[in-house]
Amino acid sequence: EDQVTQSPEALRLQEGESSSLNCSYTVSGLRGLFWYRQDPGKGPEFLFTLYSAGEEKEKERLKATLTKKESFLHITAPKPEDSATYLCAVQAGNFNKFYFGSGTKLNVKP
Amino acid sequence: DAGVTQSPTHLIKTRGQQVTLRCSPKSGHDTVSWYQQALGQGPQFIFQYYEEEERQRGNFPDRFSGHQFPNYSSELNVNALLLGDSALYLCASSSQQGLKEKLFFGSGTQLSVL
Repeated sequence: EDQVTQSPEALRLQEGESSSLNCSYTVSGLRGLFWYRQDPGKGPEFLFTLYSAGEEKEKERLKATLTKKESFLHITAPKPEDSATYLCAVQAGNFNKFYFGSGTKLNVKP
Repeated sequence: DAGVTQSPTHLIKTRGQQVTLRCSPKSGHDTVSWYQQALGQGPQFIFQYYEEEERQRGNFPDRFSGHQFPNYSSELNVNALLLGDSALYLCASSSQQGLKEKLFFGSGTQLSVL
């Protein structure tokens, strides 16, 4: 069964304290892995797409990496405005169907 | 570009009632997918519409139905509401021009069933 698991469920960091979020997946026919940011009461906002093992993408303080079994979202020197829930999703199959993890809720304290 | 728009933003219903949620996709997109997001969970796929037909469906009962119009906008209908249907309902649009294209989400409709 296709499955996406994110860890940890919640993460509290001090401003400037770097860390990583994990997304492990078991899907057949992976087409892509996506990272989204979601603020409370809002829809997910696209961050990155990764398509093949070894690929990396960066945007400001965020860097996403992909292996054959998992992806990491590295956060370098986070700021309070990085506080949000980060969702991982995998795209599989012949249609644009996404399987989402439950997310990691990040709280960055000043 | 208005992006994906959903209406209403909030809705309160009672058990047994029926509800209709609406979505307009991002300009240039022809595919609409609906997701249900319970509190503290990731979005769960309900179904996808393309060329006015339901093309794929997740593990949701027949109480959940939808429609896509010629202008690509879409509706999600839920009949015989249950308390467990309370959730954030997200609409996402994409284009069939490239099957690797990312989903763009609306801000969602927060449905509360009392």
